[in-house]
Amino acid sequence: NAGVTQTPKFRILKIGQSMTLQCAQDMNHNYMYWYRQDPGMGLKLIYYSVGAGITDKGEVPNGYNVSRSTTEDFPLRLELAAPSQTSVYFCASSNKAGVQETQYFGPGTRLLVL
Amino acid sequence: KQEVTQIPAALSVPEGENLVLNCSFTDSAIYNLQWFRQDPGKGLTSLLLIQSSQREQTSGRLNASLDKSSGRSTLYIAASQPGDSATYLCAVRPDSGYALNFGKGTSLLVTP
Repeated sequence: NAGVTQTPKFRILKIGQSMTLQCAQDMNHNYMYWYRQDPGMGLKLIYYSVGAGITDKGEVPNGYNVSRSTTEDFPLRLELAAPSQTSVYFCASSNKAGVQETQYFGPGTRLLVL
Repeated sequence: KQEVTQIPAALSVPEGENLVLNCSFTDSAIYNLQWFRQDPGKGLTSLLLIQSSQREQTSGRLNASLDKSSGRSTLYIAASQPGDSATYLCAVRPDSGYALNFGKGTSLLVTP
């Protein structure tokens, strides 16, 4: 089982550039999430989706956009990269937002904005 | 706003010791609490999930407890091994919303 996959693993961007972080899951999970983890800090939710075509903002959505056209894929778009977006980005998925919900995480994308 | 705190930030123990990691949260209106393990350069792996109505969960050498009223959870690791070396994260899901609120983690080193 591949689980949750993310590409790329590492990327260097210049200020003002744009890029898309890819995330895919093969567990047929309805719920998907994007988090960022800054050094020495806990993870913070950027965006989440409860199903194809439905997305909503998390705690730190500014500077990001998402789309969810299929159950499997949940890409994160950075339009104008800023140094403050230097971070490790994790995608996660879960079967349902219920009592037994467990979120499964991808390996992360390390992004450096210079 | 839910605040999750983990103590200690770092811990080093010799192999074989039993140890306790602590997690506290400010808002007791939680849906569940999860403990994750994070290895360097890797994603998070869920270790234990405790429902808000439960007091503890066990998996192998791991035991997690939850005292919702006092806003505390502990992760007990028995007979620690070098392979247990990792960062352990506590995350709380509130009653409302989907976001997990994470602590900053405890970095554990188990020396042979």
